[in-house]
Amino acid sequence: DAGVIQSPRHEVTEMGQEVTLRCKPISGHNSLFWYRQTMMRGLELLIYFNNNVPIDDSGMPEDRFSAKMPNASFSTLKIQPSEPRDSAVYFCASSLTKEQFFGPGTRLTVL
Amino acid sequence: AQSVSQHNHHVILSEAASLELGCNYSYGGTVNLFWYVQYPGQHLQLLLKYFSGDPLVKGIKGFEAEFIKSKFSFNLRKPSVQWSDTAEYFCAVNEGRGNTDKLIFGTGTRLQVFP
Repeated sequence: DAGVIQSPRHEVTEMGQEVTLRCKPISGHNSLFWYRQTMMRGLELLIYFNNNVPIDDSGMPEDRFSAKMPNASFSTLKIQPSEPRDSAVYFCASSLTKEQFFGPGTRLTVL
Repeated sequence: AQSVSQHNHHVILSEAASLELGCNYSYGGTVNLFWYVQYPGQHLQLLLKYFSGDPLVKGIKGFEAEFIKSKFSFNLRKPSVQWSDTAEYFCAVNEGRGNTDKLIFGTGTRLQVFP
């Protein structure tokens, strides 16, 4: 298996622009997680899905952030409008039996 | 709410020194426990995990961890570290009997190994 796939790997955008991050979980996994990692705040869970349904979105910072999982093989995390403080590495992870497998991450820079 | 504490935020060692990183969790029920490693510029990778059975768990690259239920601890150990072990290490816990795969992560321990 190719593992968890994320795109893009790097994104540089200007403040106010819309940003969409994409994730393809490992085939057969039924849970998907979005994390954000920064030096200041460490690793934060933003939202997770089980069987394509959002279960816990309490970590989503504010209404500018939204996430969808239209099917078992694809999820998006959207930031609109983006702000410089959103600069971070965003990881997607998937799991089937408790163990989470992480993707390579998307490094987002908002200027 | 569950929480995970990693008291060592930054550890500096010389090669061949022994390593022990502390991890304590707050949940009193059945737990699944994990250690993940994040090498510089990379994503988190699983080092080892404990679900049940032998409380001494052996993982990749010579790492091991011991689950001590009475102390709510799951400390990571390695008898002789290498320069290539320089990384950040995260302890994580999952509610064992729950139907969620959500993990509670500790804040991480940054390990620097000097030649």
